Amino acid sequence: EAGVAQSPRYKIIEKRQSVAFWCNPISGHATLYWYQQILGQGPKLLIQFQNNGVVDDSQLPKDRFSAERLKGVDSTLKIQPAKLEDSAVYLCASSSRYRAGDTQYFGPGTRLTVL
Amino acid sequence: DAKTTQPNSMESNEEEPVHLPCNHSTISGTDYIHWYRQLPSQGPEYVIHGLTSNVNNRMASLAIAEDRKSSTLILHRATLRDAAVYYCILNGGTASKLTFGTGTRLQVTL
Repeated sequence: EAGVAQSPRYKIIEKRQSVAFWCNPISGHATLYWYQQILGQGPKLLIQFQNNGVVDDSQLPKDRFSAERLKGVDSTLKIQPAKLEDSAVYLCASSSRYRAGDTQYFGPGTRLTVL
Repeated sequence: DAKTTQPNSMESNEEEPVHLPCNHSTISGTDYIHWYRQLPSQGPEYVIHGLTSNVNNRMASLAIAEDRKSSTLILHRATLRDAAVYYCILNGGTASKLTFGTGTRLQVTL
């Protein structure tokens, strides 16, 4: 079974530029998550989708971050414009359902450096 | 989400058992106890989870206290590849999201 795919793996941009990350979850997984992991910290949930609907985006900085999951499969996370503090690893995860005992499967992440 | 408390770091010798503790005194009756680990430069990886009873899988064992206010992840024979940050996380009810703390950094030495 293929895992969660993310691209690109690394991205370096200047502040105020835009950037987009792509995630392809495990086939058939209804729930998709985007996490932000700043160096030395645990991952922080940014947004959670159930199929193509948003379940939780309470920690997403909506003035600059946006995400979509068209057709309930792939997802894109965008930052526009980027700030220095957005430098982090962006992790995508998926789970088969939306329940407390479900296992999340994580992708390798995209490391973003904002200069 | 209920809070968990873990030691910042632990050390183990290779091929010895490792017991990673987690305190969660405010756990509710419907909270699952999850353990994930994160190897260097990788995304988190599921290790094990449980609700009330002890659990075993090919990676580890999870021992849950009778009052559920603490749990212990047991790696039966640590190897160098087990060096990682281990996260103990609670979630419950209808919420599947995970709230990560800073975890325990496990070092394994020869």
